[in-house]
Amino acid sequence: DVKVTQSSRYLVKRTGEKVFLECVQDMDHENMFWYRQDPGLGLRLIYFSYDVKMKEKGDIPEGYSVSREKKERFSLILESASTNQTSMYLCASSSPGNSGDTGELFFGEGSRLTVL
Amino acid sequence: AQKITQTQPGMFVQEKEAVTLDCTYDTSDPSYGLFWYKQPSSGEMIFLIYQGSYDQQNATEGRYSLNFQKARKSANLVISASQLGDSAMYFCAMREAGYGGATNKLIFGTGTLLAVQP
Repeated sequence: DVKVTQSSRYLVKRTGEKVFLECVQDMDHENMFWYRQDPGLGLRLIYFSYDVKMKEKGDIPEGYSVSREKKERFSLILESASTNQTSMYLCASSSPGNSGDTGELFFGEGSRLTVL
Repeated sequence: AQKITQTQPGMFVQEKEAVTLDCTYDTSDPSYGLFWYKQPSSGEMIFLIYQGSYDQQNATEGRYSLNFQKARKSANLVISASQLGDSAMYFCAMREAGYGGATNKLIFGTGTLLAVQP
């Protein structure tokens, strides 16, 4: 069964702490994504990566960084957590979406982060 | 700029009835893809259905169909014979070939919360 696994379902951190959210996929996908989900705002893209060591900013990259040292792993880093980063974080992966493939995103179960 | 709009924050439907969830999009790219995802209360995102901009027929997957009206830039999801298990948040999303390209970056709407009543 194909899978995207996020390391923590629930995290509680203090303001100013460094936070790592880990995501691993077993589908050999080139593309990986980090979204955050907030009520009334839907899903907003933070960062994405289309290859190892490659990354591109999404719509709301401020306050975040990412790391992709291996194809299967994509990490989201909050250098200094703030209360406005309290949210649900969703990791996803996909194939390139050519050769008749829809290129749908496969999502992890989400990590709910609370920053106090 | 590309945009997805879902104007229905929440909806009720009676079990066994059909329901339409609205989605409109804005893009200047002639090649794009449209997706619907379901998010139950457990939180996982479940892919439901896909429509390519050049597809001649509306996409269907079991009880789900996508009413694609290209001139109106709408991609409404129709769920036939609603079941209690259909209660969830539903998201419409779009990929632009020119912008997202092979990276498959999707932009999402704000979602519609569907409640199926017995």
